[in-house]
Amino acid sequence: QKEVEQDPGPLSVPEGAIVSLNCTYSNSAFQYFMWYRQYSRKGPELLMYTYSSGNKEDGRFTAQVDKSSKYISLFIRDSQPSDSATYLCAMDELTGGGNKLTFGTGTQLKVEL
Amino acid sequence: NAGVTQTPKFRVLKTGQSMTLLCAQDMNHEYMYWYRQDPGMGLRLIHYSVGEGTTAKGEVPDGYNVSRLKKQNFLLGLESAAPSQTSVYFCASSRGQGRGWDTQYFGPGTRLTVL
Repeated sequence: QKEVEQDPGPLSVPEGAIVSLNCTYSNSAFQYFMWYRQYSRKGPELLMYTYSSGNKEDGRFTAQVDKSSKYISLFIRDSQPSDSATYLCAMDELTGGGNKLTFGTGTQLKVEL
Repeated sequence: NAGVTQTPKFRVLKTGQSMTLLCAQDMNHEYMYWYRQDPGMGLRLIHYSVGEGTTAKGEVPDGYNVSRLKKQNFLLGLESAAPSQTSVYFCASSRGQGRGWDTQYFGPGTRLTVL
């Protein structure tokens, strides 16, 4: 069993829809939770990060972490065609000596006009 | 600033050949990382470095070697390429804050095919 599980999709939604992307994990030592966005044939770029449990909002994006359930989510409001990308969740134990991230496999999202 | 750059962008090798992938960053970051990305596997850490002259193994280090002779460069070597090393390779760097968390910035990737 992988430490981080993520539904690969693809997920197709109409423009303006609310998108929910999720990851589950098994390692209770994870402390930081991140979402990266990766456009086709590009490197990942950090979208949001959250420390421990709770919500964090940034414009149309909201990240949620529920450590008791080992479950994290990314919500995208008013989705746009430019949001079409693969979304990767990532987690970090913060054991020191380098931030060694554990990634999910990514969910491919397509927002259609 | 160019950020993180990777050379080459594409490469095709035959089994048994060797090659070196170059990663360069101009952000004066302490930490650098090499990942591979495969379908259904996500990004997996190969090797990383927490400073000039230091390297350490990640999750999937077998078949790869690395060197960090200069702070701004991190080299990934394949001594004898195998078809299982066909992948997209990403380099990343981060400022390095000790036990704190900081953002990893990724390069554009190198697509490697081993025949």
